[in-house]
Amino acid sequence: GDSVTQMEGPVTLSEEAFLTINCTYTATGYPSLFWYVQYPGEGLQLLLKATKADDKGSNKGFEATYRKETTSFHLEKGSVQVSDSAVYFCALIFTGGFKTIFGAGTRLFVKA
Amino acid sequence: EAGVAQSPRYKIIEKRQSVAFWCNPISGHATLYWYQQILGQGPKLLIQFQNNGVVDDSQLPKDRFSAERLKGVDSTLKIQPAKLEDSAVYLCASSPRDTGTSGSHEQFFGPGTRLTVL
Repeated sequence: GDSVTQMEGPVTLSEEAFLTINCTYTATGYPSLFWYVQYPGEGLQLLLKATKADDKGSNKGFEATYRKETTSFHLEKGSVQVSDSAVYFCALIFTGGFKTIFGAGTRLFVKA
Repeated sequence: EAGVAQSPRYKIIEKRQSVAFWCNPISGHATLYWYQQILGQGPKLLIQFQNNGVVDDSQLPKDRFSAERLKGVDSTLKIQPAKLEDSAVYLCASSPRDTGTSGSHEQFFGPGTRLTVL
């Protein structure tokens, strides 16, 4: 069935380190892909999105590219900050908005 | 623009009691979602409304959970009777894009209601 798989956390990095959080999906059709972030004590916020193959979403220094050939949407950031500490969720939404699936989330800790 | 509003923020009940959660989506958003997020897991969609009609309730445990959106604006999710395994955060989200139309259908989330069942 349709699913989203994220790398398990927690991921612990030092400030200014490079970040990669892996996300792969299994889906029929061509969904839109999203990364949401949940900061401590807050609700889910959209971080970035991509609606078709080879699209790159970017926001706040984070990037992810929709790779249809590898069914992946890995999140990257060149230099993380302590303020990036949060839980990151990969999600897919099918064409027409009929179905939404979230990954389990990856917790990121950034140390000063 | 006001965001998605939810209340209460926290609720503690005993098993077999009833509980209700309320959500008011962003003004003009026709699509509304309820999710259950168990600690350490990603959100799981319970029910999706398009205006006051149900689009998908395939993962809603209908023997104990119910939801309504009578006037196509705010919505209520009820659990009756609650079980220990219902302890979770209940998230409401809305989207400006109508279900069935093209586009990214990004969703805007409220702060959630944390339910503890003792």
